[in-house]
Amino acid sequence: GENVEQHPSTLSVQEGDSAVIKCTYSDSASNYFPWYKQELGKGPQLIIDIRSNVGEKKDQRIAVTLNKTAKHFSLHITETQPEDSAVYFCAARTNQAGTALIFGKGTTLSVSS
Amino acid sequence: DTGVSQNPRHKITKRGQNVTFRCDPISEHNRLYWYRQTLGQGPEFLTYFQNEAQLEKSRLLSDRFSAERPKGSFSTLEIQRTEQGDSAMYLCASSFGSEKLFFGSGTQLSVL
Repeated sequence: GENVEQHPSTLSVQEGDSAVIKCTYSDSASNYFPWYKQELGKGPQLIIDIRSNVGEKKDQRIAVTLNKTAKHFSLHITETQPEDSAVYFCAARTNQAGTALIFGKGTTLSVSS
Repeated sequence: DTGVSQNPRHKITKRGQNVTFRCDPISEHNRLYWYRQTLGQGPEFLTYFQNEAQLEKSRLLSDRFSAERPKGSFSTLEIQRTEQGDSAMYLCASSFGSEKLFFGSGTQLSVL
């Protein structure tokens, strides 16, 4: 089955800096890669996703890149703000109907002002 | 509020008791998922429904766990004879025809 590795486990940046979180996956059949943000006491919130037919996707300060050959994908947050502080999870899933999203272990991002 | 709703938010129980959680998905979402999350870990898949049919179950879902979605709308997750290792956040998510899963705020279970 699919296995998703996520690095780093913790990341501290200064406000205004960029933050990069990287994930690798094992199943070459995986073709959907979402990123979730989880704040304390809340469920994960989808912030951006990418499919395997696209190499990069941007949404304001957030971007995701995908390298299918190397089986890794990354989340880039530019101009970080204190409200970006949260736990971020990457996930992967194949196209088979019903196949579950498999999550990484998360990255705790701390943005200090 | 049109998001995924989970009740209760918190549940404290004694070891050996049965507990039941409820999830109300986003209206018209035909897919409903249950995940479990422990501290410092990502959500782990438990089971999945498409309409009322339970289509996939993880090997994490022991025979003490049962989930239902009787009319293809809300779902319940029951844990029988709870153990301390069952203490976790139980998350529900729903989707319609796409991979975009939307999560609820979860039910935090503490087994004493």
